[in-house]
Amino acid sequence: QVQLQESGPGLVKPSETLSLTCAVSGYSVTSGYYWGWIRRPPGKGLEWIGSMFHSGISYYNPSLKSRVTISVDTSKNQFSLKLNSVTAADTAIYYCAQTRSTAWYGDFDYWGQGTLVTVSS
Amino acid sequence: QSALTQPPSASGSPGQSVTISCTGSSSDVGGYNHVSWYQQHPGKAPKLIIYEVNKRPSGVPDRFSGSKSGSTASLTVSGLQAEDESDYYCSSYAGSNNLAFGTGTKVTVL
Repeated sequence: QVQLQESGPGLVKPSETLSLTCAVSGYSVTSGYYWGWIRRPPGKGLEWIGSMFHSGISYYNPSLKSRVTISVDTSKNQFSLKLNSVTAADTAIYYCAQTRSTAWYGDFDYWGQGTLVTVSS
Repeated sequence: QSALTQPPSASGSPGQSVTISCTGSSSDVGGYNHVSWYQQHPGKAPKLIIYEVNKRPSGVPDRFSGSKSGSTASLTVSGLQAEDESDYYCSSYAGSNNLAFGTGTKVTVL
């Protein structure tokens, strides 16, 4: 059974970089599935941030692409999100997730519990 | 890409059925059979309940069903139960390795 756990600062200052890590247990990040980040701002719906394959292939939401980097650390069996130049609009619950299949079509089967990140000075 | 359009709310009495729509375009819902539906209870992570328009992951009750016509996908919950009260989101592959989520629908069991 795959388990994912997000970690990182709960408070980030405007204009700084938001950094989160997703620790994966019960499965290898090199297993052949895609890994992704999704967020839900307060009172709003889900928004896909981006996804990646362990080989380094990555796909990003066009609206966030200029500010986002997703990377994988196979030695620690985890993957990370960096979002730079944050504003209050980036305040959200951030989820990491694994796709259902080895093809990239965006259906996420396993999710972390989510972590709230607030952008405020 | 733009968010897919869902009604903000839907409701039904126990035992009844409720259907939620998810409207996109030929660039997403209408162009691919990769529409998924998620159920999200307050304070919990989303749960995949439908993938590839009408397929259910193991363990998801057959009360949940999905369909698609043109650029609109639908989720039907039959035999509503109290535990079905939740937020529901659709998503669709949107081409060029992009993914779009719906605006979300809050289902209330009366």
